Amino acid sequence: AQKITQTQPGMFVQEKEAVTLDCTYDTSDPSYGLFWYKQPSSGEMIFLIYQGSYDQQNATEGRYSLNFQKARKSANLVISASQLGDSAMYFCAMRTDKGAQKLVFGQGTRLTINP
Amino acid sequence: NAGVTQTPKFRILKIGQSMTLQCTQDMNHNYMYWYRQDPGMGLKLIYYSVGAGITDKGEVPNGYNVSRSTTEDFPLRLELAAPSQTSVYFCASSSRFSGTDTQYFGPGTRLTVL
Repeated sequence: AQKITQTQPGMFVQEKEAVTLDCTYDTSDPSYGLFWYKQPSSGEMIFLIYQGSYDQQNATEGRYSLNFQKARKSANLVISASQLGDSAMYFCAMRTDKGAQKLVFGQGTRLTINP
Repeated sequence: NAGVTQTPKFRILKIGQSMTLQCTQDMNHNYMYWYRQDPGMGLKLIYYSVGAGITDKGEVPNGYNVSRSTTEDFPLRLELAAPSQTSVYFCASSSRFSGTDTQYFGPGTRLTVL
């Protein structure tokens, strides 16, 4: 069964520090995609970054990077130089069905950036 | 370009009432999805559609129905509302032609059943 595990319910980080949010996944499908979404207090789901299972390099998008370790089945999100506006819930998700592109989500990590 | 829009933003229902949550996307995406998010939890898939006229159940379909008569619209119907359906409902869409299969979400509908 496909599953996403986020073991950090909450994290507190000082502004301008880097932060790593953990995500491990479980699937027997050789083809899958991993996503990170941000959910601020306003409630919307904002796409941050994507990593395909066959991608050779770790994905990067601005201050976001994805530390993809396939053998360990982990896909950690790294946010460099954190900002107050980064305070939000962060969800890791995995595409489980290439045909229908269905997603399975983890329970999320609440990140708080302190000034 | 509006993306994915959902109406209403908020709704309070009484037990046993019915309602339809509306979802529209203007990105010409083939795939559309309905998720629910319970407090402090991740999203769970209710129903999805890979094209007009084609729908299928997700992880938590009981108590809901969907239809997809056009590419743009994917309404979610709640019949006989129950307190367990109190949740935030998100509609999303994605393109079968996208290399990343990224889903884009609407702003959500917060539903309370009393």
